[in-house]
Amino acid sequence: DTAVSQTPKYLVTQMGNDKSIKCEQNLGHDTMYWYKQDSKKFLKIMFSYNNKELIINETVPNRFSPKSPDKAHLNLHINSLELGDSAVYFCASSQVFMWATYNEQFFGPGTRLTVL
Amino acid sequence: KNEVEQSPQNLTAQEGEFITINCSYSVGISALHWLQQHPGGGIVSLFMLSSGKKKHGRLIATINIQEKHSSLHITASHPRDSAVYICAVTSITGNQFYFGTGTSLTVIP
Repeated sequence: DTAVSQTPKYLVTQMGNDKSIKCEQNLGHDTMYWYKQDSKKFLKIMFSYNNKELIINETVPNRFSPKSPDKAHLNLHINSLELGDSAVYFCASSQVFMWATYNEQFFGPGTRLTVL
Repeated sequence: KNEVEQSPQNLTAQEGEFITINCSYSVGISALHWLQQHPGGGIVSLFMLSSGKKKHGRLIATINIQEKHSSLHITASHPRDSAVYICAVTSITGNQFYFGTGTSLTVIP
């Protein structure tokens, strides 16, 4: 059973479109995350979210919004896609909120977004 | 300047060699993490540590808090170790994460 799954695996779209990436975890974790990995393989956190608190990285444009219908899902919505949004997006989850020595993160397989 | 710096950026080794990847950071941290990203893209957490040393199989991670430095060692390297190794730190407040740019390791048979 896949612990953290993402769909789609690949997403190719035109500039200006609105798209969503779905993430689901079956680990019973309280916290989920979205990361962006650019073409140079540099990872950057976008959001941390549990049912009580959303922490947004202040550098993330407000075109990006996380939506959590329940504890097991955290979807990423992107409005008005731009060329610079092309990247691999990773979802992750952990037992509790905060990334500490006792709180391992489990990553999804990634979604490669290409904006044309 | 990035809060987390790794060296080397790229590393090629012969099978069986001892490998060291270095990570230096400039912020106060509560934990340091080593991640492995395979060529297929998947990311797994290798180690989380805040002091001393941890060992898992052929992998050893050390951290020196005073020097703000960590090393990841791979003993008896194997081609299946070929991957990108990423160092990341959790801020002292626990809610900021910073990543290194990764070290791309290729182990040649």
